[in-house]
Amino acid sequence: EADIYQTPRYLVIGTGKKITLECSQTMGHDKMYWYQQDPGMELHLIHYSYGVNSTEKGDLSSESTVSRIRTEHFPLTLESARPSHTSQYLCATSEGGWTYNEQFFGPGTRLTVL
Amino acid sequence: AQSVTQPDIHITVSEGASLELRCNYSYGATPYLFWYVQSPGQGLQLLLKYFSGDTLVQGIKGFEAEFKRSQSSFNLRKPSVHWSDAAEYFCAVGANFGNEKLTFGTGTRLTIIP
Repeated sequence: EADIYQTPRYLVIGTGKKITLECSQTMGHDKMYWYQQDPGMELHLIHYSYGVNSTEKGDLSSESTVSRIRTEHFPLTLESARPSHTSQYLCATSEGGWTYNEQFFGPGTRLTVL
Repeated sequence: AQSVTQPDIHITVSEGASLELRCNYSYGATPYLFWYVQSPGQGLQLLLKYFSGDTLVQGIKGFEAEFKRSQSSFNLRKPSVHWSDAAEYFCAVGANFGNEKLTFGTGTRLTIIP
């Protein structure tokens, strides 16, 4: 079944720790995205990728980094977590090509940094 | 740059009543418009989208939306709400051809009362 998986779903961690949020998909899509969503707020795009070895920064500046070594995976890493990183992180995918395609979202990872 | 305004932060309606959620956008050309729904602790699910053509679009779960260029609006409607419709609703506009970058509104939280 085509789907988008995010792990962990919930993470509580102390300041200064390195964390990696996983996003994997069986949608067969080329394009992937990371959004940050603070409680009661809109989503902000922080990273996106057109395909393998392609990564771009989004509209909202973020201290996180991403990689795209495999089509199916788009992990997000924070080298040193801080309380300001507390948020929900949503991964999304869309088809490749030059027509406009809708985005499909994963269930999200809720991160709390103490 | 494009922007989206959802003027209603929170709406409460009775079960069985009609619903209209407002969305106004700002963009110089014809936008790609979306409505997403987010249940607590979940990712976003696409309700409907407008790319071109008929300005009244039908979506899932009995929702529809009408694109009005003269008013820069894309309001979401449902003739009779169900308790399961309680959720957060996000309007989004896409305007960057090729990478599907979405700009989201701040969302409208819908509460259903018996």
